[in-house]
Amino acid sequence: NAGVMQNPRHLVRRRGQEARLRCSPMKGHSHVYWYRQLPEEGLKFMVYLQKENIIDESGMPKERFSAEFPKEGPSILRIQQVVRGDSAAYFCASSPDKNYGYTFGSGTRLTVV
Amino acid sequence: SQQGEEDPQALSIQEGENATMNCSYKTSINNLQWYRQNSGRGLVHLILIRSNEREKHSGRLRVTLDTSKKSSSLLITASRAADTASYFCATDSGGYQKVTFGTGTKLQVIP
Repeated sequence: NAGVMQNPRHLVRRRGQEARLRCSPMKGHSHVYWYRQLPEEGLKFMVYLQKENIIDESGMPKERFSAEFPKEGPSILRIQQVVRGDSAAYFCASSPDKNYGYTFGSGTRLTVV
Repeated sequence: SQQGEEDPQALSIQEGENATMNCSYKTSINNLQWYRQNSGRGLVHLILIRSNEREKHSGRLRVTLDTSKKSSSLLITASRAADTASYFCATDSGGYQKVTFGTGTKLQVIP
């Protein structure tokens, strides 16, 4: 079992560019969650998705951020027109249902220069 | 302050000693989980304890949960240098399945 796969591991973007972060959940997991970890802070929930549906996006910034989990392929977290404050580690987790512990990927470290 | 606060923020012990970390939370939960994060790496799920459980063991790990006090503790026995990492508790408050993490405890085990 390959676990939760996130790529890229590291991503450098200039201000104003777009960042696309990918997450492939564990086999058999249909629930995907994105979290952001700012330096010296804990993880903050961003969005919860199931296949083709956004269930809860209450943690997502209102602008520039979007997420999807299509029927086929990985979940994508997209950040448009990145700013320095978007620099963080972005973690994806998946679970088979809400009664199981979440398995996290190794994260994508986004650096905006 | 946020759900899931770990205490202490940092802990330094000698190899072989036991390490105890505590987590307090505010709202009722379905379950509580502990994770480890090595520097620059992703989170590793250690153990999940459900709200109707009081204690759980996994190898050198022992987790307790006191729902009346809204607190949990993680005990690592006979610590090793490889246990050096940050440890986070995460609470699942149900509803959507929202997991909230605290800011973590940085554990340093000195060889």
